[in-house]
Amino acid sequence: DVQVTQSPSSLSASVGDRVTITCRASQTISRYLNWYQQQPGKVPRLLIYAASTLHSGVPSRFSGSGSGTEFTLTISVLQPEDFATYYCQQTYSSPGTFGQGTKVEI
Amino acid sequence: QVQMVQSGAEVKRPGASVKVSCKTSGYNFPTYDINWVRQAPGQGLEWVGWLNPRNGNTGYTQKFQGRVTMTRDTSTTTAYMELASLTSDDTAIYYCARDATDNAFDIWGQGTMVTVSS
Repeated sequence: DVQVTQSPSSLSASVGDRVTITCRASQTISRYLNWYQQQPGKVPRLLIYAASTLHSGVPSRFSGSGSGTEFTLTISVLQPEDFATYYCQQTYSSPGTFGQGTKVEI
Repeated sequence: QVQMVQSGAEVKRPGASVKVSCKTSGYNFPTYDINWVRQAPGQGLEWVGWLNPRNGNTGYTQKFQGRVTMTRDTSTTTAYMELASLTSDDTAIYYCARDATDNAFDIWGQGTMVTVSS
């Protein structure tokens, strides 16, 4: 199975900061990588699919990049509502797997 | 409005089975695969499997093979996930999610808490 590892597991940031989260795959997965946000007690929300395509309605401060085995999610200017846990998901091979999550805290 | 509305919370004994429903509305039901994802308390997301509502084909993560069954009722545009031989490790929130494209899940149900306890 393809494993995906996120780093860091958690980070502390302030409103207005630029935040970058990394997801590394155990083998090449082309661009089959999605990113989700989960606020506490809420349902996951799709942010980015196919590594860099912004899902409809997602603010442009979110961006994704990468291919092969290394991917990043960047929040350009952190907003109060962005404090949440972020998950990457590889869909190159079945079973699709999620990263362990990155918690973005104040 | 596209929606996925799941059945309510369940409490089950070890060894029992649970069947969770996911009622969809607002889109053409056969067009998009439905996936099931679970999240144990305080833990991350775990993909359980997928269902093609058009033909009923399914795919299950190996971990759940033999224990999970995904079905659908096209007349009511509802998907179901049944998990058998429950243990305490199956205590989790179970989500249904629509596959928008290439397994990107754009619409999620509200989640169903399944608690397995003696």
